[in-house]
Amino acid sequence: NAGVMQNPRHLVRRRGQEARLRCSPMKGHSHVYWYRQLPEEGLKFMVYLQKENIIDESGMPKERFSAEFPKEGPSILRIQQVVRGDSAAYFCASSQTDPLSGKSSTDTQYFGPGTRLTVL
Amino acid sequence: ILNVEQSPQSLHVQEGDSTNFTCSFPSSNFYALHWYRWETAKSPEALFVMTLNGDEKKKGRISATLNTKEGYSYLYIKGSQPEDSATYLCAFLPYTGGFKTIFGAGTRLFVKA
Repeated sequence: NAGVMQNPRHLVRRRGQEARLRCSPMKGHSHVYWYRQLPEEGLKFMVYLQKENIIDESGMPKERFSAEFPKEGPSILRIQQVVRGDSAAYFCASSQTDPLSGKSSTDTQYFGPGTRLTVL
Repeated sequence: ILNVEQSPQSLHVQEGDSTNFTCSFPSSNFYALHWYRWETAKSPEALFVMTLNGDEKKKGRISATLNTKEGYSYLYIKGSQPEDSATYLCAFLPYTGGFKTIFGAGTRLFVKA
């Protein structure tokens, strides 16, 4: 059973370009979280998605950032018109659905290896 | 604002020492607390999921306790080994708010052989 996959692992963009980060959750997982780790800082929640739904995007900047988790395919974190301050490691994690509540289970979030974005 | 505090920020111990760290979180609106171990250049690896007041979990030489009424969890490492060197993160899941996960800044453990 493959773990959480993220690609690319490293991404270099010039200011003003777009960055697309992909996350494929573990098989059987329908919940995806995106986190950002700025240099010298801890993990910060950005957005929590289920298939075709954004559940909580309270940690995501209002401008330039968007996320989706389509019915088919990976979850995408999209950053438009990148700036130097967007340089960070972006991690995604996935978890299972609690069959009783339909909510994200209290079971473990499994993390991907991260995408390191560098904006020149 | 939900805040998760971890202490100490870093810790240097000798091989064989036992050690413990603290994670403090809001005692109200509690849903779950996770502990992760994060080695440099790797992704966070889950250690424990804790949901009930008084929970105690153990995995080898590592154990954790939970007090939801006062809002803290302790992680213990018995007989530290150099391979235990890592950052230990706790993550708080509130009951409301779509299960947004709030991470502490971590405790960085260095174990010297």
